[in-house]
This record gives sequence, structure tokens and C-alpha cells, in this order.
Amino acid sequence: QKEVEQNSGPLSVPEGAIASLNCTYSDRGSQSFFWYRQYSGKSPELIMFIYSNGDKEDGRFTAQLNKASQYVSLLIRDSQPSDSATYLCAVTVSGTYKYIFGTGTRLKVLA
Amino acid sequence: DVKVTQSSRYLVKRTGEKVFLECVQDMDHENMFWYRQDPGLGLRLIYFSYDVKMKEKGDIPEGYSVSREKKERFSLILESASTNQTSMYLCASKDSGANVLTFGAGSRLTVL
Repeated sequence: QKEVEQNSGPLSVPEGAIASLNCTYSDRGSQSFFWYRQYSGKSPELIMFIYSNGDKEDGRFTAQLNKASQYVSLLIRDSQPSDSATYLCAVTVSGTYKYIFGTGTRLKVLA
Repeated sequence: DVKVTQSSRYLVKRTGEKVFLECVQDMDHENMFWYRQDPGLGLRLIYFSYDVKMKEKGDIPEGYSVSREKKERFSLILESASTNQTSMYLCASKDSGANVLTFGAGSRLTVL
């Protein structure tokens, strides 16, 4: 059974701080990794994707991938109250069309 | 930007009714997906389609069927709705060359 694990939270950070969200996955053959943001009652929207080991930066967001340790993380710099949402980690399953989603980490940014 | 449109945002149905959930994408994507999302369980794949009239079962297909008669439209059908099918249903599409899923706004179904 392929799995993606996330701490459900809530993770509370003060406004302006760095929020660090983590995800581990079980499928060593996974090639593509995604972070989605989901506001309450809304559908997931893509924040970032990463395919290679290392860091990938996009504005205030940085995704980090370590395939040897099978974890992927998302850093949010200068966190804003509008970043308060659930963040879903998703991973492609090797050799298939499937994606496995974690159950999400709830982030609260305190003003 | 890819747009994935789900025709119904909120539905309330009775047990035993037949329910149709429609999804349309506007970017000529080959691949379309239906997920359901429940608290604590995350997103679970119901069905996947990789071309017109082509479909594959996902992880939880029981009680559901799908139809893809045209490339842009992927329908989820609940033949006889049951209370345990109360959920948020999410349609997604992706191009065969890319790996990024784009989701529709979701359809929240309540079965009484």
C-alpha cells in the first residue's frame, strides 16, 4: 500500500514567520511531487511541483525534495493570515497514472 | 489557464436516486479523474479516463460508474445513491505530457 504521510496539525505560526510543512512517502519510485493548498470548502489549488532533488523556489514558497530520505517539504516565508489553509502533499505512483494524496496539514497564521 | 468546470456545487438527493455529476475541461486534456474527499481520509480516486470511451477503476469504484463520450466531458454516475456517498466530489484533468492535476471547484453531495 503506497502511502503519503503528513502531520494533520494545526500548525500555528505568527504572521511574518516561516511555516515548514513536511511530507513523507513510501514509494521509492515516485517521480513527481506536488503541494496543493485547499481553503475550507474549496478545491485544491496547485502551489508548487518538484521533480528533482534539492530546492525549488517560487516567490515566498520553497519546495524541498530528498528522494533518498523520501520526504518533501514546503517552506512558506513571511507567512500571512491568507496562507491559513490545509496543505496537501501529493505524489505520483511509479508505473501508474495514479496520485497518492496525504490527508493534509492545517496551517494557521496568527495575525 | 486550464479551466475545469463542475456543473453542480451543491446537491441534495434521496437514497436510491440516480445522480449525475458533470465535469467539463476546456484544454483538450486526455486524462480526467474523479475523486471523493472525506475528512480524515483525504482524496480517494474513484475512476480515471485516459481517452474518449476509455476508463479505469480507481481505488473505490464500487457504487459508481462513469461516462466519457466526448474528450472534454467526464461524468460520474451514482446509480442508486446511498448515505455513505455523502461527500465532496472533485474532478481533475491533466495533459498527458505534464503531471499537474487541475481540479474543478468540487460538488458537495448530501444523500438523505
